[in-house]
Amino acid sequence: EVQLVESGGGLVQPGGSLRLSCAASGFTFSSYWMNWVRQSPGKGLEWVASIKQDGSNKYYVDSVKGRFTISRDNAQNSLYLQMNSLRAEDTAVYYCTGNLAYWGQGTLVTVSS
Amino acid sequence: QSVLTQPPSVSAAPGQKVTISCSGSSSNIGNNYVSWYQHLPGTAPKLLIYDNNKRPSGIPDRFSGSKSGTSATLGITGLQTGDEADFYCGAWDSSLSAYVFGTGTKVTVL
Repeated sequence: EVQLVESGGGLVQPGGSLRLSCAASGFTFSSYWMNWVRQSPGKGLEWVASIKQDGSNKYYVDSVKGRFTISRDNAQNSLYLQMNSLRAEDTAVYYCTGNLAYWGQGTLVTVSS
Repeated sequence: QSVLTQPPSVSAAPGQKVTISCSGSSSNIGNNYVSWYQHLPGTAPKLLIYDNNKRPSGIPDRFSGSKSGTSATLGITGLQTGDEADFYCGAWDSSLSAYVFGTGTKVTVL
């Protein structure tokens, strides 16, 4: 059974940092592009970042470029999102997804003072 | 700001059919594959259609996808109350080097 389990969300002040993690199982993690997608309160799905199978290529939505970093550890079947200089508009449920086919349940990030 | 436009809502009675349109451009739908997702907020989104018209294992054939030019369409036949959710199209945008989702469509079963 495919499982993607996100962790690391929580409440953080504006300008702060958080690191999200995603533990994958049930599929060949190293063969999949991995992504982070978020949904802000009352809004639609928004793609945040993608990383190639070997980590050699990374893509980001414009609004997080220079602040967020996606990374992976294929030996640990894990995906990460380092989020710095957080803003109120980054408040959202963050989903880990493999190839946009497999999805986790999400972790809530709230940026507020 | 989404570059893929969908109607905000569609509705129909149980057993009926609905279609959801997704309008884009040559940089996304026109030259890349389209996928469709079903999402109940607070739960994991589900992939319904990939590569324009393919269904993953376990997705019933009541769900279908098509693409023509810079637009795509999701069809749902034999509408069930369990189909009530938000539906999103998505595609890679070659100009933005980014994946883009549609604005989302809420399906209501009357």
